[in-house]
Amino acid sequence: NAGVTQTPKFQVLKTGQSMTLQCAQDMNHEYMSWYRQDPGMGLRLIHYSVGAGITDQGEVPNGYNVSRSTTEDFPLRLLSAAPSQTSVYFCASSNDRANTQYFGPGTRLTVL
Amino acid sequence: KQEVTQIPAALSVPEGENLVLNCSFTDSAIYNLQWFRQDPGKGLTSLLLIQSSQREQTSGRLNASLDKSSGRSTLYIAASQPGDSATYLCAVRKIQGAQKLVFGQGTRLTINP
Repeated sequence: NAGVTQTPKFQVLKTGQSMTLQCAQDMNHEYMSWYRQDPGMGLRLIHYSVGAGITDQGEVPNGYNVSRSTTEDFPLRLLSAAPSQTSVYFCASSNDRANTQYFGPGTRLTVL
Repeated sequence: KQEVTQIPAALSVPEGENLVLNCSFTDSAIYNLQWFRQDPGKGLTSLLLIQSSQREQTSGRLNASLDKSSGRSTLYIAASQPGDSATYLCAVRKIQGAQKLVFGQGTRLTINP
């Protein structure tokens, strides 16, 4: 199993540009989440999904969209990038809330 | 609001020592608690998961304990090695809003040869 994979590893955007961060898992997990990690702020939940077709907001959802058309994929879209979205983004999955949450390697995003 | 605190923020010890990392949380209504390791520039690797009904979990040289009533967890590392150097994060999954892990800020551990 590849586990949780994320692409790209690094990305530089200009303010106002849009892009999609990709996340995929091959463990048939129902739960998937996106977190951002910032110095001094720790990891914070952006959006999450409890299954294909079901998504909901976390604590910092503004400026981001998600969709979950398949069990495997959970892309995160930045609609109009802002410097405040400079961060490291992690995707995570688990097969239910009782079990271990697995994290991807992260995407380091810089918005100029 | 659930808050998770890890003290100390940084710890440096010589190789071979046994050490304890601390994690405290303000709301005891948790589903489980998970300890992670994060190497610089890398993702999070799960170390141990403790369900709310459990008191401890062990994996190799690692032992994690949970005292839900006092809002505390400890991660014990035996016979530390330079390869243990990393940032250690604890995270709780709340019963209400169980989709979300609430993370502490982490303890940056350095093991000196």
